[in-house]
Amino acid sequence: AQTVTQSQPEMSVQEAETVTLSCTYDTSESDYYLFWYKQPPSRQMILVIRQEAYKQQNATENRFSVNFQKAAKSFSLKISDSQLGDAAMYFCAYRSRWGNNDMRFGAGTRLTVKP
Amino acid sequence: DGGITQSPKYLFRKEGQNVTLSCEQNLNHDAMYWYRQDPGQGLRLIYYSQIVNDFQKGDIAEGYSVSREKKESFPLTVTSAQKNPTAFYLCASSSGRDKAFFGQGTRLTVV
Repeated sequence: AQTVTQSQPEMSVQEAETVTLSCTYDTSESDYYLFWYKQPPSRQMILVIRQEAYKQQNATENRFSVNFQKAAKSFSLKISDSQLGDAAMYFCAYRSRWGNNDMRFGAGTRLTVKP
Repeated sequence: DGGITQSPKYLFRKEGQNVTLSCEQNLNHDAMYWYRQDPGQGLRLIYYSQIVNDFQKGDIAEGYSVSREKKESFPLTVTSAQKNPTAFYLCASSSGRDKAFFGQGTRLTVV
């Protein structure tokens, strides 16, 4: 089964600065989706950004962008101009495009934003 | 409004009792999922269903059961066989292989 690893249990960033959250995954498949979800204190899971493995261009959504390195099986999330509302748990997730239709999550990174 | 509704938000169970967590969606999604969230362990997959009357075990299915009699509904029963059921439970649904939408979760506590 595919595994997703987030090696940073906690990260901290100063307001208005940039922070990068790391994610690696293990798979033998060539076609898949990758996601970053945000879980604020309300515990509602919110999709931040998604990446299709067959697209080489890195996904971007406003202040959020990814660095997708397929060969290295790495999928990091960069948050620019950090805001207090960005404070949350961030989860990286993997889904196969053709195999089992489940979604695998990493253990999460807790991001603190300092004013 | 379209979305996923989980109920109740908080649930208390006595030792040895079965309890059922509700999950309903009106997004017309085929696939539905149940995850368990414990501190420091992220989301772990309990069960998922791709179509009505079909479901597959995830990584931690022992002590849990599900049914999928209707497309809109995917209830999760936590049985007395589950040794440590206190956790936060999340239900999700998706159309195809793209992003999943999540409910607001149910916090289950054994008393």
